[in-house]
Amino acid sequence: GAGVSQSPSNKVTEKGKDVELRCDPISGHTALYWYRQSLGQGLEFLIYFQGNSAPDKSGLPSDRFSAERTGGSVSTLTIQRTQQEDSAVYLCASSSRRGGETDTQYFGPGTRLTVL
Amino acid sequence: SQKIEQNSEALNIQEGKTATLTCNYTNYSPAYLQWYRQDPGRGPVFLLLIRENEKEKRKERLKVTFDTTLKQSLFHITASQPADSATYLCALEGSARQLTFGSGTQLTVLP
Repeated sequence: GAGVSQSPSNKVTEKGKDVELRCDPISGHTALYWYRQSLGQGLEFLIYFQGNSAPDKSGLPSDRFSAERTGGSVSTLTIQRTQQEDSAVYLCASSSRRGGETDTQYFGPGTRLTVL
Repeated sequence: SQKIEQNSEALNIQEGKTATLTCNYTNYSPAYLQWYRQDPGRGPVFLLLIRENEKEKRKERLKVTFDTTLKQSLFHITASQPADSATYLCALEGSARQLTFGSGTQLTVLP
C-alpha cells in the first residue's frame, strides 16, 4: 500500500558526470511520468510511460536525458554529462489511467539534484 | 499555443477568511480539470477533480468551480487555517492527453 517512492532523495554531482534517478510507482499503476521542477517554478513534463506502449519522450530537453521502465514497474531517469542547469527537483508520478479514464497522478517526494 | 495561468505568484490572507485562487487557460478543451497541493520539499498531492459538465464540486472546506465558457476555474478554501499554507496547482489534460500543470499560486494564511 506504499505510495510512489524515489531514490535518492538528494544527489550532488559534479558537472560532466552521469546520474541515475529511480522511481518505484504504486503497484498496479500502468502510467508513469517524470517531471522536473526548478526552484520556484512549475512542473516541467519530461517523459510518460503507459503500459507497454512506446514512451512519450516529447518533454526531454536534450539527448543527454533518457528514461526506461523495466517490466512495467520501476523506472530510471538517466542524465548524462550533467550540466549546472540540470539542477532541479525531479519528480515521478504514477496513475492507474486506462483508456479514457481521468488521469489523477500520485507523486513521489522527488530527487533533488545539484550539479556543481 | 496552450497556456495555463494561475493568479499572482503569492496570495496572503488572514486566518478564517476565504481564499480564492484562479486558474485560466487558453487553447484547451479539457474534459476535466484538477487541483493539487504542494508543500515545500514534497511532491504535489491531488485534491479535487471537476469535469466539464460539472459547475461546482465541494470537499470539506474546499470548493472548485469550472466555467468552460470563461475558460476558468476558481478554487476556494473557506475558513482558512495556517495549515492551508502551500502552493496550489491546477492541471489540465492537453492535446497529447497528458496533464499539464500551471505554475501554481503560493498561499500563506496568516494567524
